[in-house]
Amino acid sequence: RKEVEQDPGPFNVPEGATVAFNCTYSNSASQSFFWYRQDCRKEPKLLMSVYSSGNEDGRFTAQLNRASQYISLLIRDSKLSDSATYLCVVNTPGTGRRALTFGSGTRLQVQP
Amino acid sequence: EPEVTQTPSHQVTQMGQEVILRCVPISNHLYFYWYRQILGQKVEFLVSFYNNEISEKSEIFDDQFSVERPDGSNFTLKIRSTKLEDSAMYFCASRTGQGETQYFGPGTRLLVL
Repeated sequence: RKEVEQDPGPFNVPEGATVAFNCTYSNSASQSFFWYRQDCRKEPKLLMSVYSSGNEDGRFTAQLNRASQYISLLIRDSKLSDSATYLCVVNTPGTGRRALTFGSGTRLQVQP
Repeated sequence: EPEVTQTPSHQVTQMGQEVILRCVPISNHLYFYWYRQILGQKVEFLVSFYNNEISEKSEIFDDQFSVERPDGSNFTLKIRSTKLEDSAMYFCASRTGQGETQYFGPGTRLLVL
């Protein structure tokens, strides 16, 4: 089983649509959770951290379900500029210094 | 806003050659990381570095790889004898001692011929 699993997409949605991405992680000891955004051939950029209580940042809402080991990202009122790959990322527990484990990403294409 | 910087942006090398990829982490950050992303694949952790020593490394980070912080600002990744399969984008990242968020540099695209 993959450590972090995401639907690869692509998700093709019209501008203004609401789109949801899901992610599951395999290690129940994972401690920190993030959504990063990656544009083509660019570095990952933090979109938002994900907290147990759920959190919202403008049009973006993230949810975490520790019991199901499930993370979600909801994007409302999609913009053309939201087109990117969305990476589900978890902190890898262990003796090290919190290396990140990435999912393969879900590609979003917002169309005019 | 402070950023992680990386040089060079692109590097082409012959198989068997040594390459050094350079990173300047954000100045007050204490933890440093290298990741790689083979074209079309996910981002993979290579190594983490804290207090002038490696704190964790993945199975990818074999004896051909080494990291160094030669001065107060640079953080380097050396590949001693490159292989074709080392062709990838290499990202440096850093974080403070407080939060969990890692900030990524723009990457070095390495092509091994």
